[in-house]
Amino acid sequence: EPEVTQTPSHQVTQMGQEVILRCVPISNHLYFYWYRQILGQKVEFLVSFYNNEISEKSEIFDDQFSVERPDGSNFTLKIRSTKLEDSAMYFCASSGHPNTEAFFGQGTRLTVV
Amino acid sequence: GESVGLHLPTLSVQEGDNSIINCAYSNSASDYFIWYKQESGKGPQFIIDIRSNMDKRQGQRVTVLLNKTVKHLSLQIAATQPGDSAVYFCAENLHGSSNTGKLIFGQGTTLQVKP
Repeated sequence: EPEVTQTPSHQVTQMGQEVILRCVPISNHLYFYWYRQILGQKVEFLVSFYNNEISEKSEIFDDQFSVERPDGSNFTLKIRSTKLEDSAMYFCASSGHPNTEAFFGQGTRLTVV
Repeated sequence: GESVGLHLPTLSVQEGDNSIINCAYSNSASDYFIWYKQESGKGPQFIIDIRSNMDKRQGQRVTVLLNKTVKHLSLQIAATQPGDSAVYFCAENLHGSSNTGKLIFGQGTTLQVKP
């Protein structure tokens, strides 16, 4: 069964460093998303991406964040200068249509120290 | 503001009993709803969805009910099993010409199944 894959599963980084979280969405999907989940809290929307551009972003997704689809299979989230409060689980998701179910990856646990 | 919430943070049931997990949403314009299951350390897993033109939808051992009048969504799990223990989230999507696929998640209900 097709699935969304994310790497790495766990990333530890020092405050102020740049991190890149990687995702391979389901191959025939056209809509891609990043969400984050702070420990014990709900899943929060960060950004949606379609046709090689951001279609919507949340207040969390400030200038320190960026997304890219560098090739036909990968979808990345970059945090330019990490802060302690960026520590969370980051989930990538994809869907075939904006009004159909989104499938989530297993997440990357980002720990900023 | 935008919010999707759940009535109970934790639900404890006996194995074999039926479980009902509730969700209240605030955006009356939302027209697509999904229930996700999240096990510890994993990503949200799709369970079942429903569109606003329906009141009820059934899957294998799960049923979702939608009451648009009071903006309420529920997930019913029949014959709850230990493997059903997880956190359950409802999520809503707002359809329209600017629909970007963004999902708004509720707070989550932890389902504990006692053997």
